[in-house]
Amino acid sequence: IAGITQAPTSQILAAGRRMTLRCTQDMRHNAMYWYRQDLGLGLRLIHYSNTAGTTGKGEVPDGYSVSRANTDDFPLTLASAVPSQTSVYFCASSGGVGTGELFFGEGSRLTVL
Amino acid sequence: GQNIDQPTEMTATEGAIVQINCTYQTSGFNGLFWYQQHAGEAPTFLSYNVLDGLEEKGRFSSFLSRSKGYSYLLLKELQMKDSASYLCAVRDSNYQLIWGAGTKLIIKP
Repeated sequence: IAGITQAPTSQILAAGRRMTLRCTQDMRHNAMYWYRQDLGLGLRLIHYSNTAGTTGKGEVPDGYSVSRANTDDFPLTLASAVPSQTSVYFCASSGGVGTGELFFGEGSRLTVL
Repeated sequence: GQNIDQPTEMTATEGAIVQINCTYQTSGFNGLFWYQQHAGEAPTFLSYNVLDGLEEKGRFSSFLSRSKGYSYLLLKELQMKDSASYLCAVRDSNYQLIWGAGTKLIIKP
């Protein structure tokens, strides 16, 4: 693994189903983030984690949950998917608050029908 | 509220120069970033400005004026591979990134 890996890359999901998007990084970065990207809108932060064991809510957290059991993994769970959660989801990491550069995974395209 | 504005789309010719503007209104300022995103791919970091002035990196340069809430990304000697979206983002007083919607740059031969 090099950088950030997301899975699945694409998924079609029925409304009401539970879904977990996986994210793993091998750069030992403390901070990790989940964004969604929708046409015509900027990246919107869903949840973040500044270090293992801690998480925080971003701009659009409703309907999503995260956990950060260790440094490498930061899964995003949709407890009961709704069509408005159709989007492209990006996981990202950075070396810490003082550095700005984000490293992004390749994205997970989710369609909720 | 916090807001970042950048043009939705721009068109330029291969070999030419293009300037993509970004204006921002945020709660505090702790740096401005430019990212490049090719269609269907992840954003990748291009530049970072925290002090006023011009930062040059090869064919790409980024300028910042904090007093005007303004930045631009300058791309020289345009190549077809520069066709992409360019995202402007500002880190606010809480060290959260606020993102613009991106500028889609189309390069024509």
